[in-house]
Amino acid sequence: DSGVTQTPKHLITATGQRVTLRCSPRSGDLSVYWYQQSLDQGLQFLIQYYNGEERAKGNILERFSAQQFPDLHSELNLSSLELGDSALYFCASSANWGNTEAFFGQGTRLTVV
Amino acid sequence: GENVEQHPSTLSVQEGDSAVIKCTYSDSASNYFPWYKQELGKRPQLIIDIRSNVGEKKDQRIAVTLNKTAKHFSLHITETQPEDSAVYFCASTGTASKLTFGTGTRLQVTL
Repeated sequence: DSGVTQTPKHLITATGQRVTLRCSPRSGDLSVYWYQQSLDQGLQFLIQYYNGEERAKGNILERFSAQQFPDLHSELNLSSLELGDSALYFCASSANWGNTEAFFGQGTRLTVV
Repeated sequence: GENVEQHPSTLSVQEGDSAVIKCTYSDSASNYFPWYKQELGKRPQLIIDIRSNVGEKKDQRIAVTLNKTAKHFSLHITETQPEDSAVYFCASTGTASKLTFGTGTRLQVTL
């Protein structure tokens, strides 16, 4: 167990809908990353937060947004969902902002039908 | 931004042989280079990492080398075992502080 908790584990929803993925980082970690992994693909960086502030942004679609709350948990919001958004979404946390080990959650598998 | 290239995309070795995976990065300010192993259906997990002030690091059968001048780093697995079969990702942290991953190498260790 990495100490990073993601909910839900699985999510099936229809095109056009909106979903929220939740991540609780390891105790004491200030940095949260979100990654998208499509079938048999690599880890595409979406966004990073550090202590509540956006730290770095990847190729995140405008339909996607995220935030980190004062208690350091983070949520990734995906709206106007398309079939191509089906993927495994990982959250990772680290103590600092990028030069320390990142611990991954077990991921949320999103299926858009 | 930081770009990380990883080769090969697939690698098949016989049990007991060595495996080498290579990565290059673009941001000369990158200072942290972890390697992650992802087994099928599971989360990526760190197996070894190296910082820019070190040229080589070893942990049992796994070693990582870093060449800052050439901006490349490599993962070496010796005496491979079937349980080493997985997808391996290199990563680096550049000036933007985000952790950028390579595209992954699927390692298959055959008996």
